[in-house]
Order: sequence, then C-alpha cells, then structure tokens
Amino acid sequence: GNSVTQMEGPVTLSEEAFLTINCTYTATGYPSLFWYVQYPGEGLQLLLKATKADDKGSNKGFEATYRKETTSFHLEKGSVQVSDSAVYFCALSAQGAQKLVFGQGTRLTINP
Amino acid sequence: GAGVSQSPRYKVTKRGQDVALRCDPISGHVSLYWYRQALGQGPEFLTYFNYEAQQDKSGLPNDRFSAERPEGSISTLTIQRTEQRDSAMYRCASSLYGEDDTEAFFGQGTRLTVV
Repeated sequence: GNSVTQMEGPVTLSEEAFLTINCTYTATGYPSLFWYVQYPGEGLQLLLKATKADDKGSNKGFEATYRKETTSFHLEKGSVQVSDSAVYFCALSAQGAQKLVFGQGTRLTINP
Repeated sequence: GAGVSQSPRYKVTKRGQDVALRCDPISGHVSLYWYRQALGQGPEFLTYFNYEAQQDKSGLPNDRFSAERPEGSISTLTIQRTEQRDSAMYRCASSLYGEDDTEAFFGQGTRLTVV
C-alpha cells in the first residue's frame, strides 16, 4: 500500500538557519505529493505541492522537488523565521482522489 | 462560508454514548473527506464523498462508524457506542473536485475525548 515516512522531530533551529525535513514515500503509480503545515491552534494548510517527477513546488520560501528515482520530496528553506514554527506533514495522493496518505508529522521550533 | 467549519470544536462523551460530528464544507466544493488524527501522528483517511455519494469508506475502522452527506453539502460523522480508543482529533476537508492534485482545505477539527 501507499505510505509516507518523514523525518522524526522535534526539530529546533535558530532563526536564519537552513532547514531540511526529509520525506520519502512508497506508492504504486505516480502520486501527487504535498507538504501541509499546521500552525498552533489552526487547521492543516497546504504549503506546496508537486504532481509529477522533477516538479518543484514552492511557497513562502519553502521548496520541495519530486524525485521519482529516490522516491523523495524533501522540504527545504534557506533561512527560517520564528513564524515558521509549526508541525509539517508530508503527504501523497493517488488513484484520482484526494485520499491523502500522511506522514507522522515533524514539529519545528525556531528560536530567535 | 469562508472556510471549512467543524462543530463542535471539543466533545467529551462517556463511553457507550453516540456522538455526531458535523462538517460544513466550502460552498461549491464537490468532494468532502473525513480523517482521524491520533496525538503525535498524521491524519488517517476515513471516508470521502463526491456530492452526496459516498465514494470510499475503506478507512472506517468498524461498523460503529458511519458518515452521510444527504444533500451534497453538510456531512455528519457518527460514532455509535463510543470507546476510549475513539478519542482523537477528527478532521474534515473539502476540495473543488476529487482529483488527486487539487487542494484540500481542512477545518480546525473536532477533538473527541471518550471518558
């Protein structure tokens, strides 16, 4: 079956540090890949997505590239801010529906 | 409405009671999804609808769980004879279409505690 494995947290960084959160997936066919973010007290929000191999999703300074050869979709940001503190979820969908399969989430804390 | 609305936000119930969780999706969204999220885990798929038709209920854990969306808009997830293991965050999402690359918009969730 389809599954997503992401880097375990929590992750704590200083402001302006470089961020990488690893995500790998197992899926039949060609899934779409997503990163969702959950800020404190809020619901899940789509951060970025990629729908085919070698696509790069980007938003708010975050980037992730769909790597079919390594079945990965790692999230990166060059310079994190305190406001980026949140829980980040990698997810995939396949079979023509938004039946998302999520990783376990990575809690990120950025200290000033 | 402006976003996906779920009610109640918090529900505490006694073991053995039935509960009904409500989801009001974004107006015009065809697809509606229910997920369950245990503490420290990612959401897990329960079921989804296109319009009023339940397309997939493979994630419902057992026959105590059911969902409906009778008029293709508001949906209700019902848990009968609740057990402590049902305690979790229940999340609803909607999307404009049921394609795998369309964005799903999530509500804030209902935190269910069974005591």
